[in-house]
Amino acid sequence: SQKIEQNSEALNIQEGKTATLTCNYTNYSPAYLQWYRQDPGRGPVFLLLIRENEKEKRKERLKVTFDTTLKQSLFHITASQPADSATYLCALGSGAAGNKLTFGGGTRVLVKP
Amino acid sequence: GAVVSQHPSWVICKSGTSVKIECRSLDFQATTMFWYRQFPKQSLMLMATSNEGSKATYEQGVEKDKFLINHASLTLSTLTVTSAHPEDSSFYICSASGGRGSSGANVLTFGAGSRLTVL
Repeated sequence: SQKIEQNSEALNIQEGKTATLTCNYTNYSPAYLQWYRQDPGRGPVFLLLIRENEKEKRKERLKVTFDTTLKQSLFHITASQPADSATYLCALGSGAAGNKLTFGGGTRVLVKP
Repeated sequence: GAVVSQHPSWVICKSGTSVKIECRSLDFQATTMFWYRQFPKQSLMLMATSNEGSKATYEQGVEKDKFLINHASLTLSTLTVTSAHPEDSSFYICSASGGRGSSGANVLTFGAGSRLTVL
């Protein structure tokens, strides 16, 4: 069965450092992969989308890589700030089925000042 | 940008009653909306895909008679939890794709979620 795995342990990081999160998947051939941010008691907010034919995407302090051979995506937050503290979710889509997304369990990031 | 409004943000009800949650796309038309459920410290689980003008498509294990979905217009989808029980207590989140200002057709814009507590 399809499985999307993110590190369930919280990531504690010092302000200014780079946070790196991992998203691994099995039994899936996604057309694209997305990363969302979710704050407690709120809905997820879209951050970045990377397609299967792309290796890397950047947006301000965020960088995403996508390795379809390893079936893995890495999500980097550079120069992290306390305001970056949140749960980060990866989501995979096939491109069909009306944009239906399957989400990983999320990784909580805590940036300490 | 694309905005999805969800109401109510939280609701407390007695066991056996029904609760309706509304999801509106404010500045775009959404032919498809998605309803997710999230338990504490767990990921989003897709419950159903709501299609405007037709019946919703439910994921395996989700009771369609328990979770009634209506998508009567291009900007409104509703989820009704019928005869709610304490085990239905959860965080329900709707989403829609597309809309001017969104980052692309494959990107979902989520509502803020509705916290349901059944006593």
